[in-house]
Amino acid sequence: NAGVTQTPKFQVLKTGQSMTLQCAQDMNHEYMSWYRQDPGMGLRLIHYSVGAGITDQGEVPNGYNVSRSTTEDFPLRLLSAAPSQTSVYFCASSLSGTTIGANVLTFGAGSRLTVL
Amino acid sequence: GQNIDQPTEMTATEGAIVQINCTYQTSGFNGLFWYQQHAGEAPTFLSYNVLDGLEEKGRFSSFLSRSKGYSYLLLKELQMKDSASYLCAVASAAGNKLTFGGGTRVLVKP
Repeated sequence: NAGVTQTPKFQVLKTGQSMTLQCAQDMNHEYMSWYRQDPGMGLRLIHYSVGAGITDQGEVPNGYNVSRSTTEDFPLRLLSAAPSQTSVYFCASSLSGTTIGANVLTFGAGSRLTVL
Repeated sequence: GQNIDQPTEMTATEGAIVQINCTYQTSGFNGLFWYQQHAGEAPTFLSYNVLDGLEEKGRFSSFLSRSKGYSYLLLKELQMKDSASYLCAVASAAGNKLTFGGGTRVLVKP
Protein backbone atom coordinates (compact mmCIF):
# COMPACT_ATOMS: atom_id res chain seq x y z
CA ASN A 1 0.00 0.00 0.00
CA ALA A 2 1.98 3.00 -1.30
CA GLY A 3 -0.56 5.72 -0.38
CA VAL A 4 -0.17 8.84 -2.55
CA THR A 5 2.73 8.79 -4.99
CA GLN A 6 3.98 11.92 -6.73
CA THR A 7 6.55 12.20 -9.49
CA PRO A 8 8.93 13.81 -10.10
CA LYS A 9 10.30 14.93 -6.72
CA PHE A 10 12.35 17.71 -8.31
CA GLN A 11 12.10 19.49 -11.65
CA VAL A 12 13.71 22.53 -13.21
CA LEU A 13 11.97 24.15 -16.17
CA LYS A 14 12.61 27.10 -18.40
CA THR A 15 9.92 29.75 -18.85
CA GLY A 16 7.42 28.63 -21.47
CA GLN A 17 8.09 24.90 -21.16
CA SER A 18 5.30 22.50 -20.36
CA MET A 19 5.27 19.56 -18.00
CA THR A 20 3.00 17.22 -16.07
CA LEU A 21 3.21 16.39 -12.39
CA GLN A 22 1.94 12.88 -11.80
CA CYS A 23 -0.14 11.80 -8.81
CA ALA A 24 -1.44 8.31 -8.11
CA GLN A 25 -3.17 6.81 -5.09
CA ASP A 26 -3.95 3.18 -4.31
CA MET A 27 -6.44 3.73 -1.47
CA ASN A 28 -9.57 3.90 -3.65
CA HIS A 29 -10.07 7.51 -2.59
CA GLU A 30 -12.78 9.44 -4.42
CA TYR A 31 -11.44 12.90 -3.65
CA MET A 32 -8.10 14.12 -5.01
CA SER A 33 -6.57 17.58 -4.99
CA TRP A 34 -3.50 19.61 -5.83
CA TYR A 35 -2.02 22.29 -3.55
CA ARG A 36 0.93 24.56 -3.94
CA GLN A 37 2.95 25.71 -0.95
CA ASP A 38 4.93 28.94 -0.95
CA PRO A 39 6.84 30.48 1.98
CA GLY A 40 4.49 32.43 4.25
CA MET A 41 1.39 31.53 2.24
CA GLY A 42 0.52 28.08 3.45
CA LEU A 43 -1.13 25.53 1.20
CA ARG A 44 -3.33 26.92 -1.56
CA LEU A 45 -5.77 24.74 -3.48
CA ILE A 46 -5.20 24.64 -7.25
CA HIS A 47 -7.70 22.07 -8.55
CA TYR A 48 -9.66 19.23 -7.07
CA SER A 49 -11.75 16.25 -8.14
CA VAL A 50 -14.60 14.48 -6.36
CA GLY A 51 -14.46 11.44 -8.62
CA ALA A 52 -13.43 10.12 -12.02
CA GLY A 53 -14.51 12.46 -14.79
CA ILE A 54 -15.19 15.38 -12.44
CA THR A 55 -12.79 18.26 -11.78
CA ASP A 56 -13.18 21.77 -10.40
CA GLN A 57 -11.10 24.85 -9.76
CA GLY A 58 -9.68 25.80 -6.40
CA GLU A 59 -8.27 29.07 -5.17
CA VAL A 60 -5.36 29.47 -7.64
CA PRO A 61 -6.20 27.55 -10.86
CA ASN A 62 -4.72 29.87 -13.49
CA GLY A 63 -1.89 28.31 -15.50
CA TYR A 64 -2.79 24.75 -14.52
CA ASN A 65 -4.94 22.02 -16.04
CA VAL A 66 -6.09 18.73 -14.56
CA SER A 67 -8.00 15.66 -15.65
CA ARG A 68 -9.34 12.62 -13.81
CA SER A 69 -9.82 9.72 -16.20
CA THR A 70 -9.42 7.07 -13.49
CA THR A 71 -10.03 6.95 -9.74
CA GLU A 72 -6.31 6.38 -9.13
CA ASP A 73 -4.66 9.15 -11.16
CA PHE A 74 -4.86 12.94 -11.05
CA PRO A 75 -2.12 14.62 -13.13
CA LEU A 76 -1.44 18.36 -12.98
CA ARG A 77 -0.34 20.03 -16.21
CA LEU A 78 1.56 23.27 -16.59
CA LEU A 79 1.03 24.36 -20.20
CA SER A 80 3.51 27.25 -20.29
CA ALA A 81 5.58 27.49 -17.12
CA ALA A 82 6.23 30.89 -15.54
CA PRO A 83 8.64 31.85 -12.73
CA SER A 84 5.60 32.57 -10.52
CA GLN A 85 4.88 28.83 -10.62
CA THR A 86 8.08 28.05 -8.76
CA SER A 87 6.76 26.26 -5.71
CA VAL A 88 6.36 22.97 -3.88
CA TYR A 89 3.34 21.04 -5.13
CA PHE A 90 1.44 18.53 -3.04
CA CYS A 91 -1.15 16.05 -4.20
CA ALA A 92 -3.63 14.91 -1.54
CA SER A 93 -6.55 12.50 -1.44
CA SER A 94 -9.36 11.40 0.86
CA LEU A 95 -12.21 8.91 0.90
CA SER A 96 -14.76 11.75 0.91
CA GLY A 97 -18.09 11.31 2.65
CA THR A 98 -20.52 12.66 5.17
CA THR A 99 -18.38 11.86 8.20
CA ILE A 100 -15.45 14.14 8.91
CA GLY A 101 -13.09 11.21 9.27
CA ALA A 102 -13.65 10.38 5.62
CA ASN A 103 -12.28 13.78 4.67
CA VAL A 104 -8.87 13.45 6.30
CA LEU A 105 -6.38 14.23 3.56
CA THR A 106 -3.40 11.98 2.86
CA PHE A 107 -0.58 13.88 1.18
CA GLY A 108 2.04 12.81 -1.30
CA ALA A 109 5.70 13.58 -0.59
CA GLY A 110 5.67 16.72 -2.73
CA SER A 111 7.24 17.91 -5.98
CA ARG A 112 9.64 20.84 -5.90
CA LEU A 113 9.42 22.83 -9.14
CA THR A 114 11.74 25.64 -10.17
CA VAL A 115 10.97 27.75 -13.25
CA LEU A 116 13.87 29.81 -14.55
CA GLY B 1 -14.61 32.58 0.98
CA GLN B 2 -12.38 31.48 3.81
CA ASN B 3 -9.98 33.49 5.97
CA ILE B 4 -7.81 31.57 8.40
CA ASP B 5 -5.26 33.20 10.72
CA GLN B 6 -2.60 31.66 12.90
CA PRO B 7 0.66 33.03 14.34
CA THR B 8 3.70 32.73 12.12
CA GLU B 9 6.16 31.40 14.67
CA MET B 10 6.40 30.30 18.30
CA THR B 11 9.30 29.19 20.47
CA ALA B 12 9.03 26.92 23.51
CA THR B 13 11.26 24.88 25.80
CA GLU B 14 11.51 21.12 25.84
CA GLY B 15 9.04 19.67 28.36
CA ALA B 16 6.83 22.76 28.33
CA ILE B 17 3.37 23.37 26.85
CA VAL B 18 2.58 25.43 23.77
CA GLN B 19 -0.81 26.58 22.51
CA ILE B 20 -1.26 27.44 18.84
CA ASN B 21 -4.33 29.54 18.10
CA CYS B 22 -6.31 29.56 14.89
CA THR B 23 -9.14 31.93 14.04
CA TYR B 24 -11.32 31.55 10.97
CA GLN B 25 -14.05 33.28 9.03
CA THR B 26 -15.75 31.01 6.55
CA SER B 27 -18.79 30.92 4.31
CA GLY B 28 -19.32 27.26 5.16
CA PHE B 29 -17.96 25.02 7.89
CA ASN B 30 -17.84 21.28 8.23
CA GLY B 31 -14.96 20.76 10.62
CA LEU B 32 -11.51 21.98 11.53
CA PHE B 33 -8.32 19.99 11.02
CA TRP B 34 -4.79 20.24 12.37
CA TYR B 35 -1.78 18.93 10.46
CA GLN B 36 1.90 18.71 11.35
CA GLN B 37 4.57 19.36 8.75
CA HIS B 38 8.28 18.82 9.35
CA ALA B 39 10.65 20.82 7.17
CA GLY B 40 10.94 19.36 3.70
CA GLU B 41 8.20 16.80 4.30
CA ALA B 42 4.50 16.40 3.57
CA PRO B 43 1.80 17.43 6.07
CA THR B 44 0.50 14.63 8.27
CA PHE B 45 -2.87 14.56 10.01
CA LEU B 46 -3.02 15.27 13.74
CA SER B 47 -6.63 15.83 14.75
CA TYR B 48 -10.02 17.23 13.81
CA ASN B 49 -12.95 18.88 15.56
CA VAL B 50 -16.52 19.06 14.35
CA LEU B 51 -18.36 19.96 17.54
CA ASP B 52 -17.41 22.48 20.21
CA GLY B 53 -15.07 21.27 22.88
CA LEU B 54 -11.77 19.56 23.48
CA GLU B 55 -10.44 16.50 21.68
CA GLU B 56 -7.44 14.82 23.31
CA LYS B 57 -4.99 12.51 21.55
CA GLY B 58 -2.03 11.70 23.76
CA ARG B 59 0.21 14.76 24.14
CA PHE B 60 -1.85 16.71 21.62
CA SER B 61 -5.27 18.27 22.22
CA SER B 62 -7.42 20.42 19.97
CA PHE B 63 -10.24 22.75 20.96
CA LEU B 64 -13.03 24.28 18.89
CA SER B 65 -15.53 27.08 19.45
CA ARG B 66 -17.70 27.43 16.38
CA SER B 67 -19.54 30.51 17.64
CA LYS B 68 -16.21 32.33 18.08
CA GLY B 69 -14.58 30.94 14.93
CA TYR B 70 -11.68 29.82 17.09
CA SER B 71 -9.59 26.73 17.60
CA TYR B 72 -6.34 25.90 19.32
CA LEU B 73 -3.87 23.05 19.27
CA LEU B 74 -2.21 22.29 22.59
CA LEU B 75 1.09 20.46 22.63
CA LYS B 76 2.11 19.12 26.05
CA GLU B 77 5.44 17.74 27.30
CA LEU B 78 7.19 19.17 24.30
CA GLN B 79 9.91 17.09 22.67
CA MET B 80 12.59 18.19 20.24
CA LYS B 81 10.87 16.19 17.50
CA ASP B 82 7.82 18.46 17.87
CA SER B 83 9.75 21.23 16.12
CA ALA B 84 7.66 21.59 12.96
CA SER B 85 4.99 23.70 11.31
CA TYR B 86 1.40 23.21 12.44
CA LEU B 87 -1.32 23.87 9.89
CA CYS B 88 -4.90 24.75 10.71
CA ALA B 89 -7.45 23.88 8.00
CA VAL B 90 -11.19 24.39 7.68
CA ALA B 91 -13.42 21.99 5.74
CA SER B 92 -15.99 23.42 3.36
CA ALA B 93 -19.70 22.85 3.78
CA ALA B 94 -19.38 19.87 1.42
CA GLY B 95 -16.74 18.52 3.76
CA ASN B 96 -14.05 17.45 1.37
CA LYS B 97 -12.38 20.73 0.37
CA LEU B 98 -9.87 21.99 2.94
CA THR B 99 -8.63 25.57 3.15
CA PHE B 100 -5.39 25.99 5.07
CA GLY B 101 -3.98 28.78 7.17
CA GLY B 102 -0.42 29.93 6.68
CA GLY B 103 0.93 27.58 9.34
CA THR B 104 2.70 28.16 12.65
CA ARG B 105 6.34 27.22 12.90
CA VAL B 106 7.14 25.88 16.38
CA LEU B 107 10.75 25.75 17.51
CA VAL B 108 11.46 23.61 20.58
CA LYS B 109 14.64 24.55 22.42
CA PRO B 110 16.54 22.38 24.94
